[in-house]
Parts: sequence; structure tokens; C-alpha cells
Amino acid sequence: DAGITQSPRHKVTETGTPVTLRCHQTENHRYMYWYRQDPGHGLRLIHYSYGVKDTDKGEVSDGYSVSRSKTEDFLLTLESATSSQTSVYFCAISDSGTVNTEAFFGQGTRLTVV
Amino acid sequence: GQSLEQPSEVTAVEGAIVQINCTYQTSGFYGLSWYQQHDGGAPTFLSYNALDGLEETGRFSSFLSRSDSYGYLLLQELQMKDSASYFCAGGGDSSYKLIFGSGTRLLVRP
Repeated sequence: DAGITQSPRHKVTETGTPVTLRCHQTENHRYMYWYRQDPGHGLRLIHYSYGVKDTDKGEVSDGYSVSRSKTEDFLLTLESATSSQTSVYFCAISDSGTVNTEAFFGQGTRLTVV
Repeated sequence: GQSLEQPSEVTAVEGAIVQINCTYQTSGFYGLSWYQQHDGGAPTFLSYNALDGLEETGRFSSFLSRSDSYGYLLLQELQMKDSASYFCAGGGDSSYKLIFGSGTRLLVRP
């Protein structure tokens, strides 16, 4: 199995508080992704990174920010959590970043905003 | 924008063959890949198509027609363990901006 770990695995937080989710990899893969998964919407790309300090927005980036200060860690921050951000968040990593290369997913973080 | 459309649900009988379709609209085309996800689990890679035609990997095959912006995943000799959600994925406006379809939930009945 690819070495990718998400933390925390579960979190309950209050509306208006900042929340940071961590994705840690031991594969030295260049590309890292954050997705959210909600019923009926599949996996929606929030932000992605194509190198240290190189990030870009995905489909649903509003209310989220990311940072990647080293290859192995990709952090997702909800600046002020809202109930609409209750979701399951998946991190993924990829060696070449192209569609034909397998992307490996973490086990997900279930976030509940109350 | 970029989008990949799939049927929301498909039901099939154990031992049968099922086809899951995917139509896409993306500003660039960088291939089409397929992922499987069991309930409560993480998505896992199944196959990839860069060129038109059929790619076979055991019981699973994937087809692509770039002229029709269409692909499908074919599952043969269905087993109960194939009950899962299946996602097509493609590059959005860049080769490494990996965008997923909304997923097709496959239910395999005895």
C-alpha cells in the first residue's frame, strides 16, 4: 500500500472555527490533491499541488486554503468552518500527475461541522 | 468548465456483464481513467485509456472513443464483491488536474 496518511480521521467542530486537515506521504510523490466527497457529487477537487509551494485551485476551492512547505505534507485549512463543509475529505498522491498514472488515496477524514 | 457524466446507479445479476458509461466535456483531453470505491473505503485505480479502443485487465475492460467524448467500463462475470461505486476521471484543463465524475453505484444481486 502507498504510504499516505490523513489526520485526523474523524473530527467534529463548531461553525466559525478554523480547521486544518493533514495529509502525509512517504512516497516522495510530486503531486498531491484534496477532494471532498458528498452523496450525489462524487469526488470534487478542492486544491492540488504540483510541487513544494506550488498549489492551484480546483472545482470547489471557496472557503479552503492549502499549504505545502515540504514534499511529504499537504495541509488543507477551512478558514471558518460552515455546515456546508461537513463532508468526507480525501487526500490523493500521484507520481507523474497524469491521468494514466495511478493516484493513491488516503483513508479519508470525516468532518462534521455543527 | 470540465465535467464527466455517469449514471447514478446500475443493478446487475451475479455472473452477468455490466457496462458503466461516462461522457466527458473537458477543455483538454489527457486520457480517461476508472476507479472503484467500496462503501467506507478509499478509491482505488482500475484502468486507464489514452487512445481509442478497448483495454482489458482481467474481468474489467475499459473503452474510449475520443471522437464521441465517451468511454465505458465493462465488468464481466460479476461477483458480489463488485458491488461498489465506480468513477471515471480525466484531466481537467491540465494533465495533472484530476477531475472525477459523480460516480455510478453498482449493485450486484444474487
